[in-house]
Amino acid sequence: GAVVSQHPSRVICKSGTSVKIECRSLDFQATTMFWYRQFPKKSLMLMATSNEGSKATYEQGVEKDKFLINHASLTLSTLTVTSAHPEDSSFYICSARTWAGRGKLFFGSGTQLSVL
Amino acid sequence: DAKTTQPPSMDCAEGRAANLPCNHSTISGNEYVYWYRQIHSQGPQYIIHGLKNNETNEMASLIITEDRKSSTLILPHATLRDTAVYYCIVRVDAGNMLTFGGGTRLMVKP
Repeated sequence: GAVVSQHPSRVICKSGTSVKIECRSLDFQATTMFWYRQFPKKSLMLMATSNEGSKATYEQGVEKDKFLINHASLTLSTLTVTSAHPEDSSFYICSARTWAGRGKLFFGSGTQLSVL
Repeated sequence: DAKTTQPPSMDCAEGRAANLPCNHSTISGNEYVYWYRQIHSQGPQYIIHGLKNNETNEMASLIITEDRKSSTLILPHATLRDTAVYYCIVRVDAGNMLTFGGGTRLMVKP
């Protein structure tokens, strides 16, 4: 199946700093990528939809100025958590759409963010 | 998207078949049933999907009832590595974003 690479897998940062998470489609071009957040023992919650070359679409309640999304190429989308606070500590997961195999979504391995 | 209902947890003995049910009584005629699973601290993994007919691949089988209001994911010979949360999702076009419910936490025991 298609491969989505997410980096870093784990990051610890201090409050007030910014953290960038990268999501790459390794063997296909992804015009659309999705960013999810997951708290412990909870399900995945969609944060935003990232479209190559255009502004991301954010879900209700997600601060666009805090969670900056850039999708500058067909293989790379980044999520930057700005001025991180402890409540931003969570598991962040990206996914990308491929049209091979009837449009299945493939997911990255996730990034565990811990804000001290 | 049609809403799905899954049991929150299930146990299965290693080597036995794991049968995970999903109710989707409000599914529309053009909505597919997708199954993903998430092993602890990893991203979700695609398993299988179907529209009307039963489907089988190297990972699992999907049985969809004739009225399409429910389905069952079958792992024929569960292993310890199949311990995960399994999500049943219905969507017209799974190329768009997926809405995840609570899923079923499957525990495969020796």
